[in-house]
Parts: sequence; structure tokens; C-alpha cells
Amino acid sequence: DTGVSQDPRHKITKRGQNVTFRCDPISEHNRLYWYRQTLGQGPEFLTYFQNEAQLEKSRLLSDRFSAERPKGSFSTLEIQRTEQGDSAMYLCASSLLPQGSTGELFFGEGSRLTVL
Amino acid sequence: GNSVTQMEGPVTLSEEAFLTINCTYTATGYPSLFWYVQYPGEGLQLLLKATKADDKGSNKGFEATYRKETTSFHLEKGSVQVSDSAVYFCARMEYGNKLVFGAGTILRVKS
Repeated sequence: DTGVSQDPRHKITKRGQNVTFRCDPISEHNRLYWYRQTLGQGPEFLTYFQNEAQLEKSRLLSDRFSAERPKGSFSTLEIQRTEQGDSAMYLCASSLLPQGSTGELFFGEGSRLTVL
Repeated sequence: GNSVTQMEGPVTLSEEAFLTINCTYTATGYPSLFWYVQYPGEGLQLLLKATKADDKGSNKGFEATYRKETTSFHLEKGSVQVSDSAVYFCARMEYGNKLVFGAGTILRVKS
């Protein structure tokens, strides 16, 4: 499978613990995005990278959240001191820039976080 | 502010019925518009797109026309199948190639 892969698919943790999610984008894609999706809502933008540079962070990304893409390939999203409100599906997407006129983002299946 | 608004679901239809899922947007200028679909247990997939006014996106029997006059991008299909049961998300693109999504509409098709 050469699509976007995310790991783990499911994570259950206790409040106050740290969690880390990994995303492996499509290999030639230089842009990588993180989104968060809660039940009954559409995905909300968190942050994105072009190669290894983090170009934008949403106000939703509190200081407990940090994302990296150290070599411009895979990315990690870490949440420190998790809170129950962090429970959500965390989605990763990648795209190729320049992408022509498509602007298509390819999404992974997501990592579901449950904070008890 | 800039947003995407979809009709609320769930939408329940019988097989071969006509489908419309409404989507309107607010934005500065004329952003590219998209419909994504999420089948049970799978990730979001691009269904169709339109990059400028009056463009019609189409795929798998689904269509949507970019209407700048009404700032709408309604999704239609003439005859739905049980396999179309999924969650449908309307989205617009903004600076940075980011997508802004609507809340999603659940479609259930009964045989």
C-alpha cells in the first residue's frame, strides 16, 4: 500500500499522559497536514509542513501539542499532558506541490485517541 | 468568517432515488471547491472537485457545479446505490493549500 499511513490506529490513555502519533505520507509528497476530527464534525486544520519546515499552526494547536517532520518525510504529532477534550480522530494528509491545479490532499485512515 | 455549511443529516434514501446534498460557502474570492467521501472504516477520499466558477466536477455518477452567484456547490446523483452509504464532506481550499471542511452529511441508502 503506497498511501498515507498512520500509527497507531487507536490509542487509549489516561489523562495527563503523553501520546505520540506518526504519519508516513505518500513518498514523493512534499506537503504534510495534520487535522483533528471530533464526532459529528468535519476535520479541523491543525498544522502543515512543506518538506521539513512547519509553515503554519492553527490556534487549535495549544502549547501541549507539537509536530515535527525532521527529514521531510514522516511526521510525528505529540500531545503532552493529555486532557479529555483531546479525544478525537487525528488525521494526516499529504499532497504534492506544485500540484498543478488539483490541490488534492490524500488522507490516511486516522489515529483515534481516547483520553480517560 | 470563512466557512462551509452543509445540510444536516442523516439523509436516508431508497436505492435508485435522487440525491442532493446542499453545500454553501463563504470566502474571499473564488476558492477551489471539493467533495470528499468517507466510507465506513476508511479514510477520506476525494470524490470530485471544481477549481473555478461554473465548473462541474463529476465522478462515479456524482456531480457538483460551482455556482458563484449563490456561493454553492451542491452534490447530486441521479440514482443512488447501497454502496454510496457514507459520510460526505464539502470543503473549500484556502491559502496554503489547506482545506476547510463542512460538518459532513451522513447518507444511508436502503435496498
